[in-house]
Amino acid sequence: DVKVTQSSRYLVKRTGEKVFLECVQDMDHENMFWYRQDPGLGLRLIYFSYDVKMKEKGDIPEGYSVSREKKERFSLILESASTNQTSMYLCASNNPTGTQGGNTIYFGEGSWLTVV
Amino acid sequence: AQSVTQLDSQVPVFEEAPVELRCNYSSSVSVYLFWYVQYPNQGLQLLLKYLSGSTLVKGINGFEAEFNKSQTSFHLRKPSVHISDTAEYFCAVNFDYKLSFGAGTTVTVRA
Repeated sequence: DVKVTQSSRYLVKRTGEKVFLECVQDMDHENMFWYRQDPGLGLRLIYFSYDVKMKEKGDIPEGYSVSREKKERFSLILESASTNQTSMYLCASNNPTGTQGGNTIYFGEGSWLTVV
Repeated sequence: AQSVTQLDSQVPVFEEAPVELRCNYSSSVSVYLFWYVQYPNQGLQLLLKYLSGSTLVKGINGFEAEFNKSQTSFHLRKPSVHISDTAEYFCAVNFDYKLSFGAGTTVTVRA
């Protein structure tokens, strides 16, 4: 089974702290994604990466950065956490080979971040 | 640009009754369509997907969806729900490797 593992399920951080959310996938997927989930808004794409050291902005990149130094690991960084970044963060991955754009995206279980 | 609209934010339903969750999308190009389910305190799990071919797609747990290109819809149905189907359901459109999601529909199944 594909496994996407997010290292922290629940975090509480203070305003202004630097926050790292880590994600590891074990299926050698080329693409990795970070989404943010908020009630009534669904999931919104923050960043995605299609290769090591490659990244592209999603729909809401402001206040976030990412790092992908190894294929299996994709980190989301909040340089200076703010209360409006309190949310559920979901990591995902897939492999674009085969049907273009059609490959299932697999999700981790999510990281609940509270910024106080 | 593509967008996804889920027409119902909350759907209460009695056990063993049918349920339909409505999803409309807008896109100027061909897309791939998905339904995901999220059980409480868990990540998202794929229910079914439409890539091409037959417009009626069958998924896990007895769910099915019908792709209607002329109405740009991808509605999800189940003929008889169980308590365990209580969850949030997301419709999604995949274009250029990225998924765009609807706001979600919360289904609450009551005995």
